[in-house]
Amino acid sequence: GAGVSQSPSNKVTEKGKDVELRCDPISGHTALYWYRQSLGQGLEFLIYFQGNSAPDKSGLPSDRFSAERTGGSVSTLTIQRTQQEDSAVYLCASSLDWARNTEAFFGQGTRLTVV
Amino acid sequence: ILNVEQSPQSLHVQEGDSTNFTCSFPSSNFYALHWYRWETAKSPEALFVMTLNGDEKKKGRISATLNTKEGYSYLYIKGSQPEDSATYLCASNNAGNMLTFGGGTRLMVKP
Repeated sequence: GAGVSQSPSNKVTEKGKDVELRCDPISGHTALYWYRQSLGQGLEFLIYFQGNSAPDKSGLPSDRFSAERTGGSVSTLTIQRTQQEDSAVYLCASSLDWARNTEAFFGQGTRLTVV
Repeated sequence: ILNVEQSPQSLHVQEGDSTNFTCSFPSSNFYALHWYRWETAKSPEALFVMTLNGDEKKKGRISATLNTKEGYSYLYIKGSQPEDSATYLCASNNAGNMLTFGGGTRLMVKP
């Protein structure tokens, strides 16, 4: 597709279960971000991938969160032993190259609800 | 993590009013300032990417200015329409690194 694709669009999971969220960036985009928006909050940075560089994981809220990006393309955000406070909309964005200051393109997000 | 702040947090205006809001960001190692528009149930979409001090960009009734020395940007909407209702996000790219977003300004335009 032409845009950033995220799946699933909605996920309801029981507390304590693991979940995987997927992001397919725009082809050729070297930069990829994960953000989340909790209810009533702004965009919270989680993790940033830029090309082959080591990812910036400084935004991950706990060691239950991890992400990988295979082959410089698809990314998976994994949350282990989910907690209710993990409920949020998780947004993925990609950009051609941050050094050129190009805009970020966002996916539609995954709404995660932990019950 | 950088400190990017937006004000006000929310704003109610009448249709036809002009309005503006502010984004402040670190001026050191500045690369670019982005503005995004985020409508409910949709994903954020880029409005402007600005890099030069004194830059001014315009798209229809929306325009933005940039002051990189003092670290602020203004977004202006002329003659607000109900379809302008959205959250407006700014994001700063410093040292060619990641984008850091502000908390957004939620604009509601009453018909």
